Amino acid sequence: QVTLKESGPALVKSTQTLTLTCTFSGFSLSTSAMRVSWIRQPPGQALEWLARIDWDDDKFYSTSLKTRLTISKDTSKNQVVLTMTNMDPVDTATYYCARIDGSGTHIEYWGQGTLVTVSS
Amino acid sequence: QSALTQPASVSGSPGQSITISCTGTSNIVGSYKFVSWYQQHPGKAPKLMIYEVSKRPSGVSNRFSGSKSGNTASLTISGLQAEDEADYYCCSYAGSSISYVFGTGTKVTVL
Repeated sequence: QVTLKESGPALVKSTQTLTLTCTFSGFSLSTSAMRVSWIRQPPGQALEWLARIDWDDDKFYSTSLKTRLTISKDTSKNQVVLTMTNMDPVDTATYYCARIDGSGTHIEYWGQGTLVTVSS
Repeated sequence: QSALTQPASVSGSPGQSITISCTGTSNIVGSYKFVSWYQQHPGKAPKLMIYEVSKRPSGVSNRFSGSKSGNTASLTISGLQAEDEADYYCCSYAGSSISYVFGTGTKVTVL
């Protein structure tokens, strides 16, 4: 059974760096073709893909946010960490971590999401 | 990367069929077969409904079907039920250089 759960601060201030952790079970990121992504959703708005990390440590970022994002993994802890620098109130959103399917083409499993509010 | 365009809302009566469109450019939708659809109820995480344009994951009702023509992908819900009332998002994977592009989202209302 695959599960993912996001954790991190509920509130950050403008210009601060956000660090979110995704703790998962039911699979290992050291296994070939395993991939984990971060996606966010501002209140009342659409989903936005942020970043992906693969079993072989390949990393991919949203073109519009790549200068602010860093994704990493700790295989021994079954965790993926996302950092986003220079936070702004427009970054207020629910942040989801998710497992991408083996072919890399779609999202199979989602975490419950964590709401992050950025105050000015 | 520009989002894929979906109608803001679609409605139908119980038992009817509705179709949600998802339009993008040729390099996002037209050239690729990796369009997926997600259902999201209020306050919940999205759920995969369709992948690779028309494939249904195990456990998803066969009332949900997907198709693609040119630069437009579509999700059809037949035999509309009250539980289908939710937001729906399309997503296209166009290769590692472009990665994942989501649609603007469609609110489905069951009248």
